[in-house]
Amino acid sequence: DAGITQSPRYKITETGRQVTLMCHQTWSHSYMFWYRQDLGHGLRLIYYSAAADITDKGEVPDGYVVSRSKTENFPLTLESATRSQTSVYFCASSEGLAGEQYFGPGTRLTVT
Amino acid sequence: AQSVSQHNHHVILSEAASLELGCNYSYGGTVNLFWYVQYPGQHLQLLLKYFSGDPLVKGIKGFEAEFIKSKFSFNLRKPSVQWSDTAEYFCAVRKGGSYIPTFGRGTSLIVHP
Repeated sequence: DAGITQSPRYKITETGRQVTLMCHQTWSHSYMFWYRQDLGHGLRLIYYSAAADITDKGEVPDGYVVSRSKTENFPLTLESATRSQTSVYFCASSEGLAGEQYFGPGTRLTVT
Repeated sequence: AQSVSQHNHHVILSEAASLELGCNYSYGGTVNLFWYVQYPGQHLQLLLKYFSGDPLVKGIKGFEAEFIKSKFSFNLRKPSVQWSDTAEYFCAVRKGGSYIPTFGRGTSLIVHP
């Protein structure tokens, strides 16, 4: 089915481990985004990308790494997970200036 | 830096009551405005958007919003809420020429049957 998917949907990991969250979209949207959602903070932008091989930091990038070798994929890696990175992570894509964002179903990550 | 304020963090209503959720932003130039809804356990979905034209925007599920440029506001309204409107509502503002929106912190709406 067309759309934006995220995997895994749920993940429990230990402090210090590396974790990669996957995001895939089938619309060929140029722009992709990673957000984290925490109680009291709403949505905070971690990283964004305007096209393949073009990425940039958002509001809360520390401890995260992204890559975008293909237009449709935008993985987010936590290099060494910390408890403060326990959150719900949403990936989104958009056509850019002309349209709104489309969000994936989210990944609930727990760091123990 | 641009900011988006949603004044009501928690709203509790009974079914059939009217709803108005406030959204104010700080940027003075051209803006694109959005309201998203997040039902419990689900992802964000677009309710409505304003790019230009008629400042009164109709969205899905009976929602509407009014852009008042002089007040830097984009308040969301619904004349009669239903239990199924229980959700988190996010206002987002995107500066003209940018593809990155700024989100408000969200308003949690609970509608009692």
